[in-house]
Amino acid sequence: GDQVEQSPSALSLHEGTDSALRCNFTTTMRSVQWFRQNSRGSLISLFYLASGTKENGRLKSAFDSKERRYSTLHIRDAQLEDSGTYFCAAGSYTGNYKYVFGAGTRLKVIA
Amino acid sequence: AQTIHQWPVAEIKAVGSPLSLGCTIKGKSSPNLYWYWQATGGTLQQLFYSITVGQVESVVQLNLSASRPKDDQFILSTEKLLLSHSGFYLCAWSTDRYEQYFGPGTRLTVL
Repeated sequence: GDQVEQSPSALSLHEGTDSALRCNFTTTMRSVQWFRQNSRGSLISLFYLASGTKENGRLKSAFDSKERRYSTLHIRDAQLEDSGTYFCAAGSYTGNYKYVFGAGTRLKVIA
Repeated sequence: AQTIHQWPVAEIKAVGSPLSLGCTIKGKSSPNLYWYWQATGGTLQQLFYSITVGQVESVVQLNLSASRPKDDQFILSTEKLLLSHSGFYLCAWSTDRYEQYFGPGTRLTVL
């Protein structure tokens, strides 16, 4: 079935630094959505992309429009409040209304 | 504005006991609805989705069932809980096959 490989699995950043998270898909995907999960378990939607790029403040995400097999999330000038677990979720072509999540990236921003 | 509510917030149940978790969406008619399960420290696994009242599709059952008795309500249940049912259950909605919005979740502990 459809698989999502998310990397890195864990990341520690100093405040003010930049980093990128990545999701690779084993097959062509229809869309991708990025989330941050906080300590209470709430999933906060960061971006939804069917193609191209989107930017919001210090966050920017891209979805490969040609082969549709990977997506990236860039964090610029990391802040303490960026800490959490980041997930990507891919919308599948193989079944309507089906979504596959990556394993997550545990991000810790340190002062 | 749309709001999504899940109940209960947390449950502690005995193995073999029944379970019913609920999800309600307000402010949006005919949403697509989803149930997800997350093991502690793990990723999200899609369980069920529903695009209309009375119709539910299973993605991964895990000895659970789901029903949609009303347009704005989605129920997850089982007659006999297993230890492996422990985890975090999240309900989500979308307006089409695309961007999903998640509820606050229900934490289930099976003893």
